[in-house]
Amino acid sequence: DGGITQSPKYLFRKEGQNVTLSCEQNLNHDAMYWYRQDPGQGLRLIYYSQIVNDFQKGDIAEGYSVSREKKESFPLTVTSAQKNPTAFYLCASSTAGGTQYFGPGTRLLVL
Amino acid sequence: DAKTTQPTSMDCAEGRAANLPCNHSTISGNEYVYWYRQIHSQGPQYIIHGLKNNETNEMASLIITEDRKSSTLILPHATLRDTAVYYCIPHDSGAGSYQLTFGKGTKLSVIP
Repeated sequence: DGGITQSPKYLFRKEGQNVTLSCEQNLNHDAMYWYRQDPGQGLRLIYYSQIVNDFQKGDIAEGYSVSREKKESFPLTVTSAQKNPTAFYLCASSTAGGTQYFGPGTRLLVL
Repeated sequence: DAKTTQPTSMDCAEGRAANLPCNHSTISGNEYVYWYRQIHSQGPQYIIHGLKNNETNEMASLIITEDRKSSTLILPHATLRDTAVYYCIPHDSGAGSYQLTFGKGTKLSVIP
């Protein structure tokens, strides 16, 4: 069954802790994306990757890091430098220039 | 990407057609009109997109005006599961812009 999976569904972060959100796709898409959504707001782009071993910052990259070692995986690390990490995080993928398809999301909460 | 104007909210009776309008008067010639929806606490779901011609798929129909300044998404027989926020997004990924700009969208409530 093709699609995008994100885990975990809920994640709790303690002060000063780095946490990593997983995103996997089996759609054979070259491009992958991370967005952040705050309550009642639209999506904002954090990072995107057009190809393995390459990625670019989006509008709100500060306090986040990513890697793209495999085509199917694009994990996002929320570092301790991100002072307001509580949000709904969405991963998407697409063919080059194609329609973006989204995963189910991870909700990050700060303890 | 072009700016859009959508109604904040709409109601539709179950089984009736839901017609969701979007104004995108500043759309450029290469921008497609994409429609997504987001059910509460889920990821956005792609619905349909088009450039100039009307489009139809198993989920919906998209009507784009001849001047491309506005469009309408039509859900032919709305069900309770269609209750969601619907986003109209002009986008030209060929221009090297990868971010989809989600505005506030239209909150559609399907009423039993």
